[in-house]
Amino acid sequence: NAGVTQTPKFQVLKTGQSMTLQCAQDMNHEYMSWYRQDPGMGLRLIHYSVGAGITDQGEVPNGYNVSRSTTEDFPLRLLSAAPSQTSVYFCASSYSGLVYNEQFFGPGTRLTVL
Amino acid sequence: DAKTTQPNSMESNEEEPVHLPCNHSTISGTDYIHWYRQLPSQGPEYVIHGLTSNVNNRMASLAIAEDRKSSTLILHRATLRDAAVYYCIRSRGGQNFVFGPGTRLSVLP
Repeated sequence: NAGVTQTPKFQVLKTGQSMTLQCAQDMNHEYMSWYRQDPGMGLRLIHYSVGAGITDQGEVPNGYNVSRSTTEDFPLRLLSAAPSQTSVYFCASSYSGLVYNEQFFGPGTRLTVL
Repeated sequence: DAKTTQPNSMESNEEEPVHLPCNHSTISGTDYIHWYRQLPSQGPEYVIHGLTSNVNNRMASLAIAEDRKSSTLILHRATLRDAAVYYCIRSRGGQNFVFGPGTRLSVLP
């Protein structure tokens, strides 16, 4: 199994540009989520999904959109990039809800917005 | 609001046990206690989780206080590879899964 994969690894955007961060998992996990991590801080939840066709907002959803058309994929869209969105983005998945099952994290995408 | 309190940093010598404390005094009856760690330039990885009883796995042990207001992650024999940021999280799932700043563990050779 490849586990959780994220592309790209690095990205530089200009203010106002849009882009999609890709996340895929091959473990047939129902639950997927996106976090951002700013320097020296813990991770903050952006959006999560409990299954295909179902998404919900986390702690810091503004400026981001998600959709979940398949079990495997959970892309994160930046609508109009801002310097405040400079961060490292992590995607995670787990078999079902977080309470009983460990989350598997991807390697991260480091995004810089100029 | 991370809802847990951990020391900012700790040091340990290689091959010695490490006890990482976590305070979660406002924990509710249905909250699990989870521990994750993050090695430099990597995503977090699961370490252990528990509800009331002490838990052991191949990576670590989790000791939970009888009143559940605190817990301790125990690494039985620290190695250089254990140098990481360790996060203690209390959660019953979903958007309540909140990472705080964690404890940065340094392991000295």
